[in-house]
Amino acid sequence: DTAVSQTPKYLVTQMGNDKSIKCEQNLGHDTMYWYKQDSKKFLKIMFSYNNKELIINETVPNRFSPKSPDKAHLNLHINSLELGDSAVYFCASSQVAGEAFFGQGTRLTVV
Amino acid sequence: AQSVAQPEDQVNVAEGNPLTVKCTYSVSGNPYLFWYVQYPNRGLQFLLKYITGDNLVKGSYGFEAEFNKSQTSFHLKKPSALVSDSALYFCAVRALTSGTYKYIFGTGTRLKVLA
Repeated sequence: DTAVSQTPKYLVTQMGNDKSIKCEQNLGHDTMYWYKQDSKKFLKIMFSYNNKELIINETVPNRFSPKSPDKAHLNLHINSLELGDSAVYFCASSQVAGEAFFGQGTRLTVV
Repeated sequence: AQSVAQPEDQVNVAEGNPLTVKCTYSVSGNPYLFWYVQYPNRGLQFLLKYITGDNLVKGSYGFEAEFNKSQTSFHLKKPSALVSDSALYFCAVRALTSGTYKYIFGTGTRLKVLA
């Protein structure tokens, strides 16, 4: 029983393409997040949703658009991919006072 | 500004020796502190947390961490390191920003346990 699952695990695509990453959690958490981990392993929050409502948008380019169809799902769509978007993207979920649970990550490579 | 600092990029320790991975934080209000571990090509796994109560918290795989309010630190410790503990360790704080919570991570410390 995977708590937070992301698909795909690997994504290789050309510059200029549009791609989506899907995330689902079966923990009943109210809050979901997208984090980006760069090549130096730094983790930076991109978005946070609470009960399908966007709460945090950390100055991410508007080519990135999250969508939450219900509180168990948070997808990330990226338009016009650039080389600099290459990174590992992590989905996570949490309750208010608890720890965050992370998916296994999606390694995006833009060529 | 709310932040987390991990001053060491890498920590090397011999197998069987005690290990410490350092973390200091800056946050307004009471801190909620966490440690995570990341193995190669994997997601982050939760190790332990401090919310309130005893300053020494115990977590998974024999790890523990000591909360020190006066030094604003939350160092991760283990009495006897294993080669399998070699991984990337992240300290995190839950911060309140603009009326909502987010997790702020340190830059990570690579732990290398030598056989």
